Amino acid sequence: GQQVMQIPQYQHVQEGEDFTTYCNSSTTLSNIQWYKQRPGGHPVFLIQLVKSGEVKKQKRLTFQFGEAKKNSSLHITATQTTDVGTYFCAGPTGFQKLVFGTGTRLLVSP
Amino acid sequence: DTGVSQNPRHKITKRGQNVTFRCDPISEHNRLYWYRQTLGQGPEFLTYFQNEAQLEKSRLLSDRFSAERPKGSFSTLEIQRTEQGDSAMYLCASSRTSGGIAGEQFFGPGTRLTVL
Repeated sequence: GQQVMQIPQYQHVQEGEDFTTYCNSSTTLSNIQWYKQRPGGHPVFLIQLVKSGEVKKQKRLTFQFGEAKKNSSLHITATQTTDVGTYFCAGPTGFQKLVFGTGTRLLVSP
Repeated sequence: DTGVSQNPRHKITKRGQNVTFRCDPISEHNRLYWYRQTLGQGPEFLTYFQNEAQLEKSRLLSDRFSAERPKGSFSTLEIQRTEQGDSAMYLCASSRTSGGIAGEQFFGPGTRLTVL
């Protein structure tokens, strides 16, 4: 079955440092979604990328979808303590169910 | 608040008991999903409804699990003869139909199940 892996599993940064998480799918994706889950919370949708090579920005967050539509990345510039949480990528399969990645847990120290 | 709601938020049960969880999706959303999440893992797909039709069910879901969405609105997930391995957060999500592309999913707060 489809597998979605993310690296790193965990990253601890100082506030103001940059952060990047990488997502790789075993199969080509029609689109990729990114979610953020705060500690004790539920996943919250951040963005969806559809086109090959697409790049989207949301303030300090930059999302990229690979040319082969099998990988994606999320980059956060100048992290803040509010960025703390686990970031998941997710790709649809079958009847549009989502296969979530393994997640990257981000800890930001002030 | 018009988000996805789930009840109960927490459930503690003894092994062998049956439990039922409820999910109320966002009212105009015709797609409803159930996921299970264990500590340190991403949500794992369980089943999916479009309106009242259950269109997909994970092969990981044993016969002890059943889900319904009788009127295409709220949904229930029942686990029979619970086992300790069923302990997890059960998440419900809903989404709109969006031209065939899997769209943004709105998650509820989840029901945390603990099986003693």
